[in-house]
Amino acid sequence: NAGVTQTPKFQVLKTGQSMTLQCAQDMNHNSMYWYRQDPGMGLRLIYYSASEGTTDKGEVPNGYNVSRLNKREFSLRLESAAPSQTSVYFCATGPGLITDTQYFGPGTRLTVL
Amino acid sequence: AQSVTQLGSHVSVSEGALVLLRCNYSSSVPPYLFWYVQYPNQGLQLLLKYTSAATLVKGINGFEAEFKKSETSFHLTKPSAHMSDAAEYFCAVSEWTDKLIFGTGTRLQVFP
Repeated sequence: NAGVTQTPKFQVLKTGQSMTLQCAQDMNHNSMYWYRQDPGMGLRLIYYSASEGTTDKGEVPNGYNVSRLNKREFSLRLESAAPSQTSVYFCATGPGLITDTQYFGPGTRLTVL
Repeated sequence: AQSVTQLGSHVSVSEGALVLLRCNYSSSVPPYLFWYVQYPNQGLQLLLKYTSAATLVKGINGFEAEFKKSETSFHLTKPSAHMSDAAEYFCAVSEWTDKLIFGTGTRLQVFP
């Protein structure tokens, strides 16, 4: 029972390159989330998926796309990376009710040069 | 619009001393409030949450928080700090949906 897994753990990109961050969960949760964490800014929601086949923008969606492939997997894509996207990215899952706990993956540290 | 403010980006205490991490919220409706902890190089994990049952909420590792509507606060406390409590702590609020709004975090240092 791995919980929430993210790949890769670290990545360095050059400006303009693309990449996809992968997230998978074995908790049978409906909702999945992508956050970015920046110093002094806490965590900010990028995109959100309430169920397979549905996605919704969060607070900072510009420059990102997502795909909810199935109930287990939720990927985040950077089409043309920019230095402002240097951050630590966290995937989280939850049952989907307002009072529910969210469960976080270990994070992906991305540097864009 | 909902928001949370965490006063103090860094808090330092001695081992055995009281830990007090402050969180104030802004919400147009009774909110649900959460405290998450992040240990170095790890993801976040839930410490405790307020979901409108008891106003004093007990969490893991000896932490507790009290919801005070009149003060719009949800401060996190622990009577006696341990070295293993050194981490970053985030307060978060949810209002109408399961989407969380996080505060900017407070880094707790514990000195021997």
